[in-house]
Amino acid sequence: DAGVTQSPTHLIKTRGQQVTLRCSPKSGHDTVSWYQQALGQGPQFIFQYYEEEERQRGNFPDRFSGHQFPNYSSELNVNALLLGDSALYLCASSLDRYGYTFGSGTRLTVV
Amino acid sequence: DQQVKQNSPSLSVQEGRISILNCDYTNSMFDYFLWYKKYPAEGPTFLISISSIKDKNEDGRFTVFLNKSAKHLSLHIVPSQPGDSAVYFCAASTTNAGNNRKLIWGLGTSLAVNP
Repeated sequence: DAGVTQSPTHLIKTRGQQVTLRCSPKSGHDTVSWYQQALGQGPQFIFQYYEEEERQRGNFPDRFSGHQFPNYSSELNVNALLLGDSALYLCASSLDRYGYTFGSGTRLTVV
Repeated sequence: DQQVKQNSPSLSVQEGRISILNCDYTNSMFDYFLWYKKYPAEGPTFLISISSIKDKNEDGRFTVFLNKSAKHLSLHIVPSQPGDSAVYFCAASTTNAGNNRKLIWGLGTSLAVNP
């Protein structure tokens, strides 16, 4: 049973570009949350999707947007990339309010 | 404003001894707490959790203690093993309107268990 899969694993982008990160949730999970983890920091909540709608959002600008598809997979889009967007982006899926499973993350480097 | 604080960035213990990782929080509305372990190049892995209606939860070598009055929780690992060496994150959540949750994380404590 595959857990949470994220793609790509690593990505290098230039300032001002746009990026799309992808997440496939664990089988049976219907909720996807995205987190940003900067170096030396704990993960910071970006937003959560359930039933193809954004249900909660953290303190991130509108440059960060997302989408959830009918098969529960999700995308995180970041526009107008800044150097400070360089981080590990983690996707977590869950079925209920408590059982979060994390993927290995996508390491984004903005140069 | 760090609502979940792990004040020790690192901890080193000998194999076989007890590891105690501490976490403090400021939001009294938090009602569920989790510990995650993270190895390099991997996502966080759920370890153990505790609801605010309890003060202790045990799972094998791992025990989490919650002191609500002090807004403090701790993770005890007994006995510690070299494979426990990882970064440990404390996370907390509260149920908001709509009955959904988000996790608020501490900065992590890097545990090194020496053979």
